[in-house]
Formats: sequence, C-alpha cells, structure tokens
Amino acid sequence: NAGVMQNPRHLVRRRGQEARLRCSPMKGHSHVYWYRQLPEEGLKFMVYLQKENIIDESGMPKERFSAEFPKEGPSILRIQQVVRGDSAAYFCASSRQGGGNTIYFGEGSWLTVV
Amino acid sequence: TQLLEQSPQFLSIQEGENLTVYCNSSSVFSSLQWYRQEPGEGPVLLVTVVTGGEVKKLKRLTFQFGDARKDSSLHITAAQPGDTGLYLCAGNSLNTNAGKSTFGDGTTLTVKP
Repeated sequence: NAGVMQNPRHLVRRRGQEARLRCSPMKGHSHVYWYRQLPEEGLKFMVYLQKENIIDESGMPKERFSAEFPKEGPSILRIQQVVRGDSAAYFCASSRQGGGNTIYFGEGSWLTVV
Repeated sequence: TQLLEQSPQFLSIQEGENLTVYCNSSSVFSSLQWYRQEPGEGPVLLVTVVTGGEVKKLKRLTFQFGDARKDSSLHITAAQPGDTGLYLCAGNSLNTNAGKSTFGDGTTLTVKP
C-alpha cells in the first residue's frame, strides 16, 4: 500500500465540528475510493471518484458527508457536524483504472469525535 | 446486498501450528481478494483469485477459490508470530468496479511464540 498518502493520520473533533480527510493517490492513479472501518469490522465502501467526477456514492450517508477529487490536489472526504458515531478509521484506496484493477490502500485516517 | 461471512472471527494459536480461515457467500464473485491488516495500518493485498477452483501459494500461505466462486479459504502452514493480524476477504461481483468491493468482517489471528 505504499504510495497512497492520507492525512491527517489521527484527527480529534468535538461534536458539531467539521472533519476533512485528504488522500493523494499513488502516482499514475486516477481512481480513488473511500472506505470506512468501525472497530472489529471490515471495510465498508463509501464512494468512488475519478478526477472531478463522483462515479458511485452509493455507500455515502445521505447527510453531512461529501467527497471530491478536484483536477488538482488530493481527494477530500468531508464530514460536517460530526457526531460520535462518525468515529472510525477512514481508508482511501486508488487504482490506475477502474473495472478489475487492483486497488491499493493508504494507511488510514482515524477520526475520534469527543 | 452481497455478504461475505468470515470464520472464525477470532483465532489464537501457538507458533508452528497450521490453520485455515474461511470466507463464504451465497453470491458469485468475479474475483476475490485476501488482505492482511495490522493495528493502525491499512489493508495490504495478499492475493487476488479469479478462476473457480484456483489455488495460489504465497510462501506458507495457500489460497483457494471455490469452484462456484462463492467461497474461499486461506491456509497458513507453520504459523509464526509475524502472521498475527486481521485477515480480510473482499469480493467483486460481475459488472462492478474493482474498487467497490464487499468486505467480510475479518478473522483476527494471534500467533503466540
């Protein structure tokens, strides 16, 4: 999973604040995926993006969560008005192309809402 | 909704023992991946299997994909403390992007020295 960079690695937010998580894909990769992992659970798909486009957001909560992957810069997962239930590890993955290509995960961002 | 069930959920063994963990579903997958995840880290891909009945070996790890492509197993021979971690399987159904994987909840393996 070397090459997919996520920051911050750890983030603490008070209830009601905003959390922004960033992901820079591996060099040459134009497809980005966000997953959420709760303690002792597997990863749950949230959203799939290409540059400037959201391809599949079927796993995103309907409210407070948004994601973008601008033409320049990292992909950002934004959580507004965080609640304690948002506390989780958020993983970004990237691939060179879509459809059947191997994805590589970053080391994750751990969000704690207090 | 496709579900992947992994068993056992927790496994604690002594160094040198063999073990098998399982990944089962009622759905057919076009490919299935096994990952290992250590605490505080992201999942690291171990293998991808795509053909029913396929067997892949990675040193002491043997991965098998079921003939019907609904299940898979991971066998570790002579486990070592370095094998400790969370083992996740993830499946991709036909016509879906590889990045939109369905993950099982994992098997937490502890190998005691």
